[in-house]
Amino acid sequence: AQTVTQSQPEMSVQEAETVTLSCTYDTSESDYYLFWYKQPPSRQMILVIRQEAYKQQNATENRFSVNFQKAAKSFSLKISDSQLGDAAMYFCAYGENTGNQFYFGTGTSLTVIP
Amino acid sequence: DAGITQSPRHKVTETGTPVTLRCHQTENHRYMYWYRQDPGHGLRLIHYSYGVKDTDKGEVSDGYSVSRSKTEDFLLTLESATSSQTSVYFCAISGSGIGPFNGFYGYTFGSGTRLTVV
Repeated sequence: AQTVTQSQPEMSVQEAETVTLSCTYDTSESDYYLFWYKQPPSRQMILVIRQEAYKQQNATENRFSVNFQKAAKSFSLKISDSQLGDAAMYFCAYGENTGNQFYFGTGTSLTVIP
Repeated sequence: DAGITQSPRHKVTETGTPVTLRCHQTENHRYMYWYRQDPGHGLRLIHYSYGVKDTDKGEVSDGYSVSRSKTEDFLLTLESATSSQTSVYFCAISGSGIGPFNGFYGYTFGSGTRLTVV
C-alpha cells in the first residue's frame, strides 16, 4: 500500500497571513494524482485542489496553491491571505489509475487566529 | 454533496448489537467505499465495492461486513458492535463513473455518520 505522511498534526496562522501544510508520499509509480481535501467542523469533506503527476506546473485554485516536487515526493499546500473560514482539518491524498482507491494522510488541523 | 447520502447521521448503540449504515448514490458510479475516521489515524479504508455484488476488504475490515445488491446502495454492517468501533464513518464514491478506476476524479464523500458504541 502507498503511504502518505502529514508530519504536522496542528498548525496555526494569523488571519491574512500565509501558511504551508506539508505532505510526503511513497510510490514507485510515475503516473498518479494528488489531492488536498478540507474538512471543516461541519464534517463535510471538500476537495480543495488536485495535481496530476505528469504535469510539471503547480496547481492553483484562487488562494490555494501547491508546491509539487515529484523527485522529492513532496506535495505541500500553500494558503495565502488566510481567512477564518479556512480553519479546518486538511487531508492529503494519493491515487493512481492502476489502483482502486485513494490513500490518505493523518491530517493537519489548521487554526486561523483573528 | 447531493449525489451521495449517508444514513443515519448520528447513532448511539449498545455493545454487542448489530448496526447497519447505509450509503446511497444517485451518480451511477461503479466504485463505492467505506472509511472510518479516527483522531491520529486519518481515514482508513474498511471495505470497498467495484460493482454490484463485488466487494473487497480494506486495511481495517475486521468486525465489518458490506453488501451491494444495487449500484446505488452500499451497506456497512457491524455484526456485533464494540467500543473500538466508535468512530465517524464516511462513504465515498469515485468519480470514475461506470468505467475502471480513474485517479483523476478523486472522491466525493457523504456527510458522515457519527457512531457511538456504549
